[in-house]
Amino acid sequence: AQSVTQLDSQVPVFEEAPVELRCNYSSSVSVYLFWYVQYPNQGLQLLLKYLSGSTLVESINGFEAEFNKSQTSFHLRKPSVHISDTAEYFCAVSSNTGKLIFGQGTTLQVKP
Amino acid sequence: DAGVIQSPRHEVTEMGQEVTLRCKPISGHNSLFWYRQTMMRGLELLIYFNNNVPIDDSGMPEDRFSAKMPNASFSTLKIQPSEPRDSAVYFCASSLGGRRANYGYTFGSGTRLTVV
Repeated sequence: AQSVTQLDSQVPVFEEAPVELRCNYSSSVSVYLFWYVQYPNQGLQLLLKYLSGSTLVESINGFEAEFNKSQTSFHLRKPSVHISDTAEYFCAVSSNTGKLIFGQGTTLQVKP
Repeated sequence: DAGVIQSPRHEVTEMGQEVTLRCKPISGHNSLFWYRQTMMRGLELLIYFNNNVPIDDSGMPEDRFSAKMPNASFSTLKIQPSEPRDSAVYFCASSLGGRRANYGYTFGSGTRLTVV
């Protein structure tokens, strides 16, 4: 069985500061890893994903995540956050079936 | 493409009533997923379909919940009878099938259900 643990339920940070949202996964098979973002009153949007190849993946809005197989982690980072990054972030894992299992979510609160 | 379309956006109903949530997936996507989101339990996968066939319904909480996908462009999630603990946001998502699902899901905007 697969599972995802997001280690922080809330992360408060000041604008322009760096941030890391932590994600660990458990799986007995090869995995694919994802970060989704949910803005208030909206559905989830794909932020970035790791399928294969380079272990460092980037999104178009400055986020990046690194797949670390030995530590079974896929932490999300951004060197300088904006107010508009305030949202809930979900880490997810899937396998060849395409079935996505989500973590509990981390609320990123960017303060001015 | 208009994306995944869910209706209604909001539903308020009395305990004991039947509730039907609807979803239209993206054309060409042959996998469809129903998720439930609550503060306490986060995002839970209720059921998913591949080519209109239910593949895994192990997340359906109890017999009061049922889901159908009569064709590739429509799915329903029904709760009968509804209870206050069913109050949640219900999301539908669609994707290409099988391993191609890993290119990403597209989520609808959700249905916020309140059972009073």
